[in-house]
Amino acid sequence: EADIYQTPRYLVIGTGKKITLECSQTMGHDKMYWYQQDPGMELHLIHYSYGVNSTEKGDLSSESTVSRIRTEHFPLTLESARPSHTSQYLCASSKQGGGRTEAFFGQGTRLTVV
Amino acid sequence: TQLLEQSPQFLSIQEGENLTVYCNSSSVFSSLQWYRQEPGEGPVLLVTVVTGGEVKKLKRLTFQFGDARKDSSLHITAAQPGDTGLYLCAGGSGAGSYQLTFGKGTKLSVIP
Repeated sequence: EADIYQTPRYLVIGTGKKITLECSQTMGHDKMYWYQQDPGMELHLIHYSYGVNSTEKGDLSSESTVSRIRTEHFPLTLESARPSHTSQYLCASSKQGGGRTEAFFGQGTRLTVV
Repeated sequence: TQLLEQSPQFLSIQEGENLTVYCNSSSVFSSLQWYRQEPGEGPVLLVTVVTGGEVKKLKRLTFQFGDARKDSSLHITAAQPGDTGLYLCAGGSGAGSYQLTFGKGTKLSVIP
């Protein structure tokens, strides 16, 4: 059973506000990811991290930023939310072994910017 | 850049029918995963295949990895409404790879 948690599940916020989406995992995984996904559509990688103090931008350009101060915690911040940021944000971590990479996802945060 | 093409993009079938969805690439992957995602939730890992030609079964779901490790299929027998969801395949490039390459998904609807 995967142990990765995202809060909040749902967030409605006004334009221009600063928000932080929380993600924590208790599996000790080094690699963590943030994906953006519109309902029923494909996943877009926006940030990833190899480990503590390591962060990289993903394939999809995003105005958000991330930090990785502790292995288990990988928060995503939007300094000034806009309606175009409305989407579902999924956090994941992965383990590797035996030639395989397997990702475990949180339940997601559904963000609506009004 | 590695790409995974999933087909069909959408599939709507009656309860009890069989179906197959496909995941294809021109690249070789060291492992391939299938995930199912229900609306409003995160994807859940169903299975990982690592050996060319490997077949795995999970109740009514049968997963196959191509001999050349470039493609995979998911076959569902006697589909149930509970099978409804977005099915995503993802490929891993091996030790040291930092991320998975995800396909765009197949959205399956099983009508009672």
